[in-house]
Amino acid sequence: LAKTTQPISMDSYEGQEVNITCSHNNIATNDYITWYQQFPSQGPRFIIQGYKTKVTNEVASLFIPADRKSSTLSLPRVSLSDTAVYYCLVPSSTSGTYKYIFGTGTRLKVLA
Amino acid sequence: NAGVTQTPKFRILKIGQSMTLQCTQDMNHNYMYWYRQDPGMGLKLIYYSVGAGITDKGEVPNGYNVSRSTTEDFPLRLELAAPSQTSVYFCASSTNSNQPQHFGDGTRLSIL
Repeated sequence: LAKTTQPISMDSYEGQEVNITCSHNNIATNDYITWYQQFPSQGPRFIIQGYKTKVTNEVASLFIPADRKSSTLSLPRVSLSDTAVYYCLVPSSTSGTYKYIFGTGTRLKVLA
Repeated sequence: NAGVTQTPKFRILKIGQSMTLQCTQDMNHNYMYWYRQDPGMGLKLIYYSVGAGITDKGEVPNGYNVSRSTTEDFPLRLELAAPSQTSVYFCASSTNSNQPQHFGDGTRLSIL
């Protein structure tokens, strides 16, 4: 099964760019890497998803190297409201059976 | 759109009792998932389903059962509640394995 590793926590100041990396081995071929944001007492919320190279949407960018053994979520110019826990999610296929492996999560604290 | 709806929001059980956590989605998604999240930890997959009548185990299935008789509903059953099952339970759904998962607001379950 794929195993993921993320930094436990990060601090940043408002207006800075934040990069959070998730390391994952044994990721299933042709499957996407997805990042979620979670606020206290809420379910995770989708941020961005990608398969390779770089993906950008209105809130974040996702960088995936050619070996796909890691991915980096980039949040441009964070604000106080970006304080949350960020998870990467990778599928892992064993004998055709899928398991969905959430990372350990990175607790981001944005300071004024 | 209601999205993914979970009931109840909170529940306290005594050891050995049984209960069913309800999950329903109105997005016509084929894939549905049950996760548990212990305090300060990431999400762990309990069971998932790729369509009506098809279910499979996730990382932590012991002590739980599921069924998927319709596309919309994916109930999670605890037969003999144990203190180790105290957690927040999240249900999610997606179009397929590579599409983002949509999460409910969770059920907080305490077993005393």
